[in-house]
Amino acid sequence: EAQVTQNPRYLITVTGKKLTVTCSQNMNHEYMSWYRQDPGLGLRQIYYSMNVEVTDKGDVPEGYKVSRKEKRNFPLILESPSPNQTSLYFCASSYRVDTEAFFGQGTRLTVV
Amino acid sequence: AQSVTQLDSHVSVSEGTPVLLRCNYSSSYSPSLFWYVQHPNKGLQLLLKYTSAATLVKGINGFEAEFKKSETSFHLTKPSAHMSDAAEYFCVVSDQDSGTYKYIFGTGTRLKVLA
Repeated sequence: EAQVTQNPRYLITVTGKKLTVTCSQNMNHEYMSWYRQDPGLGLRQIYYSMNVEVTDKGDVPEGYKVSRKEKRNFPLILESPSPNQTSLYFCASSYRVDTEAFFGQGTRLTVV
Repeated sequence: AQSVTQLDSHVSVSEGTPVLLRCNYSSSYSPSLFWYVQHPNKGLQLLLKYTSAATLVKGINGFEAEFKKSETSFHLTKPSAHMSDAAEYFCVVSDQDSGTYKYIFGTGTRLKVLA
């Protein structure tokens, strides 16, 4: 089954403790991206990747890092999480940036 | 620069009546346009997409949208609402900006269906 898998689904952590949210897709898509969803703001792009070893900032990259060492994986790293990073995070992949995106189920992160 | 405006943050309709969710966009080139639906505690699912073919696009679950270039609109409609349509809907534009492609979401419209 074609899918995007994010883990974990729920995470509560403390300020400053490094964390990684994993994302994996099995569709051989080149384009992958991370979004955060906050009430009233829709989804805002954090980082995206056009292909392996090619990543770039989206609209809200501050406080986040990503890497794309393999085509299927695109982890999101918070080196020092802060409470303003409490949000619902989605990973997505697509064949190209202008084609249908497939989304993971989301990761609800709470930073206390 | 591209942008997407969803004109209503909340829409309420009675079951069996038509649905209209409005979306306007701005784009420098020929955009691709999408509507996604998000049910509570779920990920996003594609409803339909416009990619410069027919201007009237049919999607899943009886939804359709019409691309109107002169009005820069891509409104989502359904003739008869069902209770299961209650969800949040996002209009998305994918376009070029300074040589890079962007995938930009509107702020969402929450649809409530009344029995």
